[in-house]
Amino acid sequence: GAGVSQSPSNKVTEKGKDVELRCDPISGHTALYWYRQSLGQGLEFLIYFQGNSAPDKSGLPSDRFSAERTGGSVSTLTIQRTQQEDSAVYLCASSLGGTGGKVYGYTFGSGTRLTVV
Amino acid sequence: DAKTTQPTSMDCAEGRAANLPCNHSTISGNEYVYWYRQIHSQGPQYIIHGLKNNETNEMASLIITEDRKSSTLILPHATLRDTAVYYCIVRVSNTGNQFYFGTGTSLTVIP
Repeated sequence: GAGVSQSPSNKVTEKGKDVELRCDPISGHTALYWYRQSLGQGLEFLIYFQGNSAPDKSGLPSDRFSAERTGGSVSTLTIQRTQQEDSAVYLCASSLGGTGGKVYGYTFGSGTRLTVV
Repeated sequence: DAKTTQPTSMDCAEGRAANLPCNHSTISGNEYVYWYRQIHSQGPQYIIHGLKNNETNEMASLIITEDRKSSTLILPHATLRDTAVYYCIVRVSNTGNQFYFGTGTSLTVIP
């Protein structure tokens, strides 16, 4: 598609339930990133996928968070046993990656607003 | 990646130039300066990037000091739609690793 697509745009869930957030990156972009942004805060890095390499999971806040990227394209971020502090906007971004010394910026999706009640 | 420091907030009159500063005193020789902005309830949007030369595109200009320890993003004729949070980030271009966003500068363009 023309841009990074995320779904759903809004999600309200009860505390303790699992949720799945989906990201469709720009076709051909090998790098995919998940960030989250809590109210009034900056962007917090969660996880990074680059091609077939093992993902960089260093930003995941707990083992309740996991993500996968199937076929090098679509990614799903899963939050198990959601807590109220998980409420945030979850943003996905993709880029052409970083090889050959070229400079690539990110293209972000519009995010999924998650509210845990 | 080098840490950046930005003012928390700024105001600018509509039609005037908005000059957003960023300090990155620990920047390394191979780190680029990127600027993104985030308009309320949208994902961040790429604006411009540079290494050491000043850069200009249809959105903004980027002025990087000779010692590269600071930079300024210039919006030449600010409009109400430029009200957003502006993030200054430095990173090595080809690592493919994540950008680290700080809290940015909240720019309010005033009619």
